[in-house]
This record gives sequence, C-alpha cells and structure tokens, in this order.
Amino acid sequence: EIQLQESGPGLVKPSQSLSLTCSVTGYTITSGYDWSWIRKFPGNKMEWMGYISYSGSTNYNPSLKSRISITRDTSKNQFFLQLNSVTTEDTATYYCASHTMGIGFDYWGQGVMVTVSS
Amino acid sequence: DIQMTQSPASLSASLEEIVTITCQASQDIGNWLAWYQQKPGKSPQLLIYDATSLADGVPSRFSGSRSGTQYSLKISRLQVEDIGSYYCQQAHSNPTFGAGTKLELK
Repeated sequence: EIQLQESGPGLVKPSQSLSLTCSVTGYTITSGYDWSWIRKFPGNKMEWMGYISYSGSTNYNPSLKSRISITRDTSKNQFFLQLNSVTTEDTATYYCASHTMGIGFDYWGQGVMVTVSS
Repeated sequence: DIQMTQSPASLSASLEEIVTITCQASQDIGNWLAWYQQKPGKSPQLLIYDATSLADGVPSRFSGSRSGTQYSLKISRLQVEDIGSYYCQQAHSNPTFGAGTKLELK
C-alpha cells in the first residue's frame, strides 16, 4: 500500500523559506504517478501547488511559479517542497499526494500544519 | 485557470436522506472531474473520478453525474460516517478545486 508522510517545521517567519519533505513508502517514486503538493487554507480553500513527475519534470501552479520549487531524492524515495518569501497568507495545512493525470489525487499524506508568524 | 463553483457551502441533512452537491465548471472539462471526501481530522480521500467512476472501496451509495458543465455528487442514503467536507476538482488542466461543502447531521 502506498503511504505518504509529510514532515517539516510547523512555524516559519515571514520572508523566510518554507521547506517540507514527503516520504513515500510502498511505491518507488520513479515508477509512476506525479507527486504533488496541495495546501488547505484556514477557511477550507484547497490549492494545488505543483508536482514533480516520476521522470523528474515539474509543473507548478502559475500563481506560485516565482516562489516554488519541488525537488526529489530518489535514493531516499522522498520529494520536497520549498516555498520562498512566505507571508502570513501562506499559513495552511500542507499535504503531499500522488496524482494520476485525468483522474485525481489517489493517495494523500496526513498533512502538516504550517503557520507563518513572527 | 478553470474555476469550479461548488454549492451549497454547507448542508444539514438527516440519516437516510438523499444528499446532492453540485459543481459548475467555468468551461468545458468533459468528464475530467473528481470528488473527494474529507472527514474531520483526516486527509482527503478520492471518491469519484471521471465524473461518474467510483474509486476503489467507496460505498455504492455515492454516485456522480454530469450535465454539460454541471457536475453532481449524490449520496443516496446518508450515513453517520459520511459526515465531513466534500470537494470537487477539475482534472482537465492544472488542478483546481471547488470551495467545498460541509455536510452535517440534522
């Protein structure tokens, strides 16, 4: 069974970078799927942030394109989110998920709440 | 971006009642529509993909339908374990979500 788990700091200061890790078990991230980051804001709006494909290509939400980077470490079967120049508007619960084009997000991590505050 | 307008924002229903949630796409997305359920304190779970196909393990009381650019999720007989929030998501292009529907017991 595919399992995903997010990890990273729960508090980030404004203007700094947010960095999260998604560890995948039960499946090798180079075998298939796109590996996505999604966030859910207070108030419940959900936003897809971007993904790194099994081949290593990336696709980002245009609204975040100047601030976001998704990378991976295939030796550890992990992928990463970096979001630069954060503001309080980036306070959200961050999820990693597997994505199948045309179908949706199949498997999700449990989510990690990140607060941006000084 | 393709906008998804979801309604209602909240819904109160009784056990065994029929519940319907709708999403309107801002442009033609074909059948590229998924529905998710999120129970309190849990991560979202894929319910339906391709507008009408049930994901593995999802009870048959859930169903999806499409009429043009309007999509519906129906719960035929509401159960207590169905309480939570529901989201639509278009899978035609870069994913976008509806604003969500919070389903409560009356």
